[in-house]
Amino acid sequence: SSGLTQPPSVSVSPGQTARIPCSGEDLPQQYAYWYQQKPGQAPVLIISKDTERTSEIPERFSGSTSGTTVTLTISGVQAEDEADYYCQSTNNSNPYIMFFGGGTKLTVL
Amino acid sequence: EVQLVQSGAEVKKPGESLKISCKASGYTFTNQWIGWVRQKPGKGLEWMGVIYPGDSDTRYSPSFQGQVTISVDKSINTAFLQWDSLKASDSAKYYCARRTDHLFSFDSWGQGTLVTVSS
Repeated sequence: SSGLTQPPSVSVSPGQTARIPCSGEDLPQQYAYWYQQKPGQAPVLIISKDTERTSEIPERFSGSTSGTTVTLTISGVQAEDEADYYCQSTNNSNPYIMFFGGGTKLTVL
Repeated sequence: EVQLVQSGAEVKKPGESLKISCKASGYTFTNQWIGWVRQKPGKGLEWMGVIYPGDSDTRYSPSFQGQVTISVDKSINTAFLQWDSLKASDSAKYYCARRTDHLFSFDSWGQGTLVTVSS
């Protein structure tokens, strides 16, 4: 299967912890990646290989994995974290084929 | 510094052809895959395909196979996305992006090219 499922929206208050799950049956075998996209901007890679923060990404962003679900966690959410977040992975039988989850809009209340 | 600079916005009519570009700099263009991602207004990201500039090996998403053509010109470090006959449903912003070395993610993105197809 090539599907990744994310909730359409997550809302948290400033300072709280936001968790954005992404599920897909190939995730135990393939890495997941996370992108942040702010309005009018190109996406930015923030988490690589399930759990690795990319350079210059604040420590409050972290990734975890459990079975067929990966989760992006933002601890101590700040107003500037309001954005769309997309998980991305690859097809288990053909890893050159990449695909994205539907995206999750994070709203900071 | 890696940079991907895309061509400007386009307004076309249904049935017309179009080729948009993505000029790369700051790295060895022929050594890393480069791909295209579609984003319709208010919608999510859709992976279209990737090309390896070194030998033009190209992989397409099944959803886009036969609908678009991805190509490169190594002499000018530029990747292209083209349509032979546009449809209104092709209206979207298109991003080029560099695939991360040895990984299947995109670590650098262009600014996007907005394509509007309307009669």
